[in-house]
Amino acid sequence: KAGVTQTPRYLIKTRGQQVTLSCSPISGHRSVSWYQQTPGQGLQFLFEYFSETQRNKGNFPGRFSGRQFSNSRSEMNVSTLELGDSALYLCASSEGGRGNTEAFFGQGTRLTVV
Amino acid sequence: AQSVTQPDIHITVSEGASLELRCNYSYGATPYLFWYVQSPGQGLQLLLKYFSGDTLVQGIKGFEAEFKRSQSSFNLRKPSVHWSDAAEYFCAVGVRSGGYQKVTFGTGTKLQVIP
Repeated sequence: KAGVTQTPRYLIKTRGQQVTLSCSPISGHRSVSWYQQTPGQGLQFLFEYFSETQRNKGNFPGRFSGRQFSNSRSEMNVSTLELGDSALYLCASSEGGRGNTEAFFGQGTRLTVV
Repeated sequence: AQSVTQPDIHITVSEGASLELRCNYSYGATPYLFWYVQSPGQGLQLLLKYFSGDTLVQGIKGFEAEFKRSQSSFNLRKPSVHWSDAAEYFCAVGVRSGGYQKVTFGTGTKLQVIP
């Protein structure tokens, strides 16, 4: 089985621009969660999607949004980029149902805002 | 709401020495517990998990963890550390909320291994 795939791996954007990150989960997984990781704040939960619906949301401004498609692939969008948005963005997929499951992570997208 | 505490931000051990990374959680019932490892610039890899049953859990790469309900702890151990174990380690707690599992991560412990 292929693992979680995140694209692109690296991005450099200018302040004020917007960016879209993509995550393809493991085949059969219906839950996709997004995290922001920075040296100062650690691993912070952004949101989770399950069967195309946002099921859980962290404490981030509305500039951060996401969506999930019918094939469970997910995208995350950040509008009006700020320097502080520079981070490693991690996507995790899991079965997401009523059973106990662990999350599998992608390698992340390193976003640098200049 | 549940929370996870990893009291050690940074730990340095000598290669071949034993290792214990601490993790404490706060939750009213028994949670699901995980340990993940992250190499620089990479995603997180699951080392082991506890859902129920035997409180001593074996994982990959020679790691084990013990769930102690009385201490609300899930410490990670390895009898002999290798240089390749240098990485950041995250403890995570999963609880059932609204019919599904919600996971909270600790702040991580960076492990340095010296020769």
